[in-house]
Amino acid sequence: AQSVTQLGSHVSVSEGALVLLRCNYSSSVPPYLFWYVQYPNQGLQLLLKYTSAATLVKGINGFEAEFKKSETSFHLTKPSAHMSDAAEYFCAVSNNDMRFGAGTRLTVKP
Amino acid sequence: DTEVTQTPKHLVMGMTNKKSLKCEQHMGHRAMYWYKQKAKKPPELMFVYSYEKLSINESVPSRFSPECPNSSLLNLHLHALQPEDSALYLCASSPKDSYNSPLHFGNGTRLTVT
Repeated sequence: AQSVTQLGSHVSVSEGALVLLRCNYSSSVPPYLFWYVQYPNQGLQLLLKYTSAATLVKGINGFEAEFKKSETSFHLTKPSAHMSDAAEYFCAVSNNDMRFGAGTRLTVKP
Repeated sequence: DTEVTQTPKHLVMGMTNKKSLKCEQHMGHRAMYWYKQKAKKPPELMFVYSYEKLSINESVPSRFSPECPNSSLLNLHLHALQPEDSALYLCASSPKDSYNSPLHFGNGTRLTVT
């Protein structure tokens, strides 16, 4: 069975600092991996997806993620955090259906 | 703004009530999903419809009954719910029921069972 593990339920950064949200996957076959963001009282919005075309994937709002097969990781990064990035972030893996990690809450301090 | 519309936004119901949640999309997507999300938890898959046929039922109690009247609409009928069923119910759609299709989510219906 495929699954993802998000390391750190809560990450806090200062505005302008690097954002790093960690995700490791478990899969017996090449996975399809996704990052979603959820703002308060809203549904989930796709940030980016990996489908084996390129290991470095660029998404919306300045986020990107790198697929590293040797580390079974798909960490999400953004060079400079903005206050509006404060939200819940979910890593997900898809085989027969979409399965989400536990989520990481990002707080951005002024 | 989301392209998947869910109504109502909020719903409070008693344990003996019957109510329905509605979801609509006009993107031509052929797969539609119901997820349940408890506070501070990830969404949990409940049902998947592919080309208007139920393809996945994640052992959801029968007090939840999905319906897909056509390719644009998805309903979730609720009956005799329990307080622990209180949650955010999210509808999603994707172009097709395939592994690499990302999901498009609505903003959810926040359900409270009293």
